[in-house]
Amino acid sequence: GQNIDQPTEMTATEGAIVQINCTYQTSGFNGLFWYQQHAGEAPTFLSYNVLDGLEEKGRFSSFLSRSKGYSYLLLKELQMKDSASYLCAVKSGGSYIPTFGRGTSLIVHP
Amino acid sequence: GAGVSQSPSNKVTEKGKDVELRCDPISGHTALYWYRQSLGQGLEFLIYFQGNSAPDKSGLPSDRFSAERTGGSVSTLTIQRTQQEDSAVYLCASSSDPGANVLTFGAGSRLTVL
Repeated sequence: GQNIDQPTEMTATEGAIVQINCTYQTSGFNGLFWYQQHAGEAPTFLSYNVLDGLEEKGRFSSFLSRSKGYSYLLLKELQMKDSASYLCAVKSGGSYIPTFGRGTSLIVHP
Repeated sequence: GAGVSQSPSNKVTEKGKDVELRCDPISGHTALYWYRQSLGQGLEFLIYFQGNSAPDKSGLPSDRFSAERTGGSVSTLTIQRTQQEDSAVYLCASSSDPGANVLTFGAGSRLTVL
């Protein structure tokens, strides 16, 4: 099976930087996703990492270390609209089905 | 359509009744997923369809749950004899092919079992 851990809740200040961590234990790792989900809405795709390193996309960046089973999502220049749940998901073992963590609820305050 | 459509958006039912939830994926997407999201929980995988292949039903929690996908497009998730623990948001997602690395989700169907 897979074990995916991420903090339950984080708070940050508008304009600041926040890092949301995700650790996983799996065999046959085949990619890690980050999704954003606003309350009552559909999760939306943010990033996909399969190789080690940092992927930057505007204010959002995602990092992966396969040897450590570790990823983080970095959000810069936080805005109030970034308040949402951030979901980490992993594909492994040749499966096409991502397994999701419980999500991290990010609260951005003025 | 432009996105993944799910209906109904909200469903309140009495314990013991059957419910059907519908998912209309993005046109041309061959892979379709059903997940369940309970309060404070992550997305729990239920079932996966890919083209004409037999579905992966490994996530269905009990034999009260079933799903079908007609013509490789619309999917219906059926829950028989609903229980209070079935209350959750049921999310459907589709992707262009199984190897695609982006799942597009619908807004979900919120089921409340009284």
